[in-house]
Amino acid sequence: DAGVTQSPTHLIKTRGQQVTLRCSPKSGHDTVSWYQQALGQGPQFIFQYYEEEERQRGNFPDRFSGHQFPNYSSELNVNALLLGDSALYLCASNDDTNTEAFFGQGTRLTVV
Amino acid sequence: GQNIDQPTEMTATEGAIVQINCTYQTSGFNGLFWYQQHAGEAPTFLSYNVLDGLEEKGRFSSFLSRSKGYSYLLLKELQMKDSASYLCAVRADQAGTALIFGKGTTLSVSS
Repeated sequence: DAGVTQSPTHLIKTRGQQVTLRCSPKSGHDTVSWYQQALGQGPQFIFQYYEEEERQRGNFPDRFSGHQFPNYSSELNVNALLLGDSALYLCASNDDTNTEAFFGQGTRLTVV
Repeated sequence: GQNIDQPTEMTATEGAIVQINCTYQTSGFNGLFWYQQHAGEAPTFLSYNVLDGLEEKGRFSSFLSRSKGYSYLLLKELQMKDSASYLCAVRADQAGTALIFGKGTTLSVSS
């Protein structure tokens, strides 16, 4: 079982650009959540996808959007990048009967 | 609002026991989680409490008091590899929804 996989692992973008991050959930999981983790902080919830719909959203601007595909994989898109968007972006998956969320290794995004 | 508090840093020596506290104030409660995160790596699941009491798992134990909004993670027989950040997280809604994380406690274990 490959677990949760994310790509790319590292990314450098310029202010104002757009970025797409990808996540494949653990086998058997249908729920994907995205988190932003700034250096020295705990992860902050961005949004969660279930059955290809955004089920819940945290306190993030509309520049952050996402998508879930029929195979349960997911994308996180960020438009008009700001320096403050530099962070580790974590994807977590679980199924609705499982209490534990499994995290991927994350994508380290640097905005310059 | 949602608030989870835990100490920023703790230090301990190999072989010792350390207790990391977490207090929470959330709009709802459907479980408390502890995760371990080594620098530059993904968080890994350590424990889950939804009912009051102690859950033991090898060298790690976690305690929950829902009436006090309080949990702790107990690490016994500390090893150097236990040096990491420990994240307390609350699921404030029904199963399958978001986790609200504290800022994490950085534990340094010395010989």
